[in-house]
Amino acid sequence: NAGVTQTPKFQVLKTGQSMTLQCAQDMNHNSMYWYRQDPGMGLRLIYYSASEGTTDKGEVPNGYNVSRLNKREFSLRLESAAPSQTSVYFCASSRQGFFSGGKLFFGSGTQLSVL
Amino acid sequence: DQQVKQNSPSLSVQEGRISILNCDYTNSMFDYFLWYKKYPAEGPTFLISISSIKDKNEDGRFTVFLNKSAKHLSLHIVPSQPGDSAVYFCAASSFGGAQKLVFGQGTRLTINP
Repeated sequence: NAGVTQTPKFQVLKTGQSMTLQCAQDMNHNSMYWYRQDPGMGLRLIYYSASEGTTDKGEVPNGYNVSRLNKREFSLRLESAAPSQTSVYFCASSRQGFFSGGKLFFGSGTQLSVL
Repeated sequence: DQQVKQNSPSLSVQEGRISILNCDYTNSMFDYFLWYKKYPAEGPTFLISISSIKDKNEDGRFTVFLNKSAKHLSLHIVPSQPGDSAVYFCAASSFGGAQKLVFGQGTRLTINP
């Protein structure tokens, strides 16, 4: 049972380059999320998808776009990477939004460095 | 504005003793609180939760206490074990609001043998 799978695990970009972080879950969850973790800042919500076909901005959406490709997959795209986007990115899923008791299941993260 | 705050970046406790991790929040609309545990190179995993209608929830060695008047919650781990060494995140949400779970900055707990 893989749970939430993120790819890649590590990535180094140059300023201005673009890339897409992939996320897939096999738990038949309806809701999916992208968070970033920065030292001293905790986890901050970038975008979320309450259900297939919907996406909404979180706390720090600027510089990012998302696509809910199907029920399983939720990708995060950086169109023009900036050093401020150096962070650890986590994808998560939950059965039915935060109202399912807030139990999010997280992937193992993507360490992104933008030079 | 940091709506959920964990003011202690780190905590060191001797094995077998009690670990107490603290969390404060400012948004009075929060009515559901959770603790997540994170090991290095892994994603956070859910540990324990509490709703605002309770002031205590217990699960084995882990107990969460909620003081609504003080907007404060704490996680007690008794007895502390070496495997408890991790970063602990406090998080809060509102059933009546948008689907957003707000996390604190995290506290790194180290259990010394």
